[in-house]
Amino acid sequence: NAGVTQTPKFQVLKTGQSMTLQCAQDMNHNSMYWYRQDPGMGLRLIYYSASEGTTDKGEVPNGYNVSRLNKREFSLRLESAAPSQTSVYFCASSVEGTGGPMNTEAFFGQGTRLTVV
Amino acid sequence: AQSVTQLDSHVSVSEGTPVLLRCNYSSSYSPSLFWYVQHPNKGLQLLLKYTSAATLVKGINGFEAEFKKSETSFHLTKPSAHMSDAAEYFCVVSDRYGGATNKLIFGTGTLLAVQP
Repeated sequence: NAGVTQTPKFQVLKTGQSMTLQCAQDMNHNSMYWYRQDPGMGLRLIYYSASEGTTDKGEVPNGYNVSRLNKREFSLRLESAAPSQTSVYFCASSVEGTGGPMNTEAFFGQGTRLTVV
Repeated sequence: AQSVTQLDSHVSVSEGTPVLLRCNYSSSYSPSLFWYVQHPNKGLQLLLKYTSAATLVKGINGFEAEFKKSETSFHLTKPSAHMSDAAEYFCVVSDRYGGATNKLIFGTGTLLAVQP
């Protein structure tokens, strides 16, 4: 059981380039999330998807777009990369969809370390 | 809106001594609270969770946390630190973001160092 799989693991981009981070989960989870992790700031939510076909902005959505391609896959796109987007990106999934507070575990991928020069 | 504050950015203990990582939260309703651990260059792993059942929650690797509503705290403890406990720990609260769905709000993390 692979859990949450992110690709690529490492990426270096030049300012202005575009790229898509891929994420897939095989646990039949409803919700999927993209976070970025920066030193001293914990993880901040970029976008989330409560169910297939829906996406919503999180705390720091500017400069990003997402696609919930199907129940398994949730991609994050940087249209024009900037040095401020240098970060470690984590995809996560959980079984809950819309409703009350999350009561079950969120499962995280191994992360994508992105450097924009 | 909910939030979580981790009171120490760095904690250093000696192997075999107790660990205390402090977390306070604010919540407009009954929260779900979690502790996650991240070892260097790894993803995040759930240590334990509180979801309105028992206030003392036991997790993996000997860790436990106590939910104290009166103090709005959810501190993480372990009686005896092991070298393998050296990692970054995140206190997390669930939030009904925008009134529509749930998401996780992370604290800024506590880096635990264990000295031999």
